[in-house]
Amino acid sequence: AIQMTQSPSSLSASVGDRVTITCRASQDIRNDLGWYQQKPGKAPKLLIYATYSLQSGVPSRFSGSGSGTDFTLTISSLQPEDFATYYCLQDFSYPYTFGQGTKLEIK
Amino acid sequence: EVQLVESGGGLVQPGGSLRLSCAASEFTFSSHSMNWVRQAPGKGLEWVSYISSGSSSIAYADSVKGRFTISRDNAERSLVLQMNSLRDEDTAVYYCVRGSLFKSYYYMDVWGKGTTVTVSS
Repeated sequence: AIQMTQSPSSLSASVGDRVTITCRASQDIRNDLGWYQQKPGKAPKLLIYATYSLQSGVPSRFSGSGSGTDFTLTISSLQPEDFATYYCLQDFSYPYTFGQGTKLEIK
Repeated sequence: EVQLVESGGGLVQPGGSLRLSCAASEFTFSSHSMNWVRQAPGKGLEWVSYISSGSSSIAYADSVKGRFTISRDNAERSLVLQMNSLRDEDTAVYYCVRGSLFKSYYYMDVWGKGTTVTVSS
């Protein structure tokens, strides 16, 4: 199975900060990488698919980049509603695998 | 509104069985693949199973292979996860998730609210 290593596991930041979360795949997954946001007690929400395609309705402060094995989610200017846990997911091959998650907390 | 509603969760003893269902509404269910994703208490997300729109392609996580069976009824707009030989480590919230395709790219774009499965004696 493809392993997804996500870092950092937690991050403290302030409103207005620029934040970057990374995911590394154990093998080449082309651009088959998505990012999900989850708030406590809620279902995950798709933010970005195919590495950099923004899901409809997601603010443009979210962006994705990368290819092959290294991927990045960037939030350009943190808003209060962005404090949540973020997961990457590879859907290149079965079994699909998630990163361990990054908990983004208010500094 | 596009919606997925899971049901069937509950408390079951180790070794027991449970059948989860997911009802889809406000989209063409038969055109979309579907997935189950679970989340153990305080843990991260784990993909469990996939079924293609016409049921011709099915996949499972190694952790559930041989114990869980995914199926769907497009006429009834429903997805099912039959879970047998349940273990403590299957305790989790189970999400029903829609798959979509854009060009050749796949993504999971609609999630249900989840149903809780607790395996305990």
